[in-house]
Amino acid sequence: DIQMTQSPSSVSASVGDRVTITCRASQGISSWLAWYQQKPGKPPKLLIDAASSLQTGVPSRFSGSGSGTDFTLTISSLQPEDFAIYYCQQANSFPLTFGGGTKVEIK
Amino acid sequence: VQLVESGGGLVQPGGFFELSCAASGFTFSSFYMTWVRQAPGKGLEWVATIKQDGSEEHYLDSVKGRFTISRDNAKSSLYLQMNSLRVEDTAIYYCARDHLPFGSGSPLEYWGQGTLVTVSS
Repeated sequence: DIQMTQSPSSVSASVGDRVTITCRASQGISSWLAWYQQKPGKPPKLLIDAASSLQTGVPSRFSGSGSGTDFTLTISSLQPEDFAIYYCQQANSFPLTFGGGTKVEIK
Repeated sequence: VQLVESGGGLVQPGGFFELSCAASGFTFSSFYMTWVRQAPGKGLEWVATIKQDGSEEHYLDSVKGRFTISRDNAKSSLYLQMNSLRVEDTAIYYCARDHLPFGSGSPLEYWGQGTLVTVSS
């Protein structure tokens, strides 16, 4: 099984800050990586697939990069509505696996 | 696109539950479908995925032999039969749809609101 390790597990940031979350796969997954955002009491929302492809309607302040084993999600200028938990997920093979999540909190 | 789960509730360890997911707004038979769960206060855990025509199923190791994913394309419905339930199966169970028709199973573009299954004596 492919293990996904996210860091940090939480980050405290202010509105306007640049935030970077990393995700590492235990083996190469090419660009088969997705990022999700989850707010309290809601299901996850797909933000990015294929490591860097922004979903329709997702603000351009979100971006993804990486391939192989190392990936990043960057929020260029944090907005109030971005405080949430972010998960990476490998889409390379079954069993599908998620990272442990990164909670983005208000400083 | 709408995915509406039902069937959750409280069950004793060793018990049985069947979850349903009613899909609408898309051609159900064209997409892989998946169940993902989230224990209270915890992260996301993939549970099972089924191919468009039901010919292929994939399961999390800890649920193999206990859970069965199935679908009825005529009814645009997805199911999860859960047997021999354990306390650690307690979670919100989400139904989710693949990103692309005739895709590979993920990523998961659309999610239901989830249904809570509590396993407790």
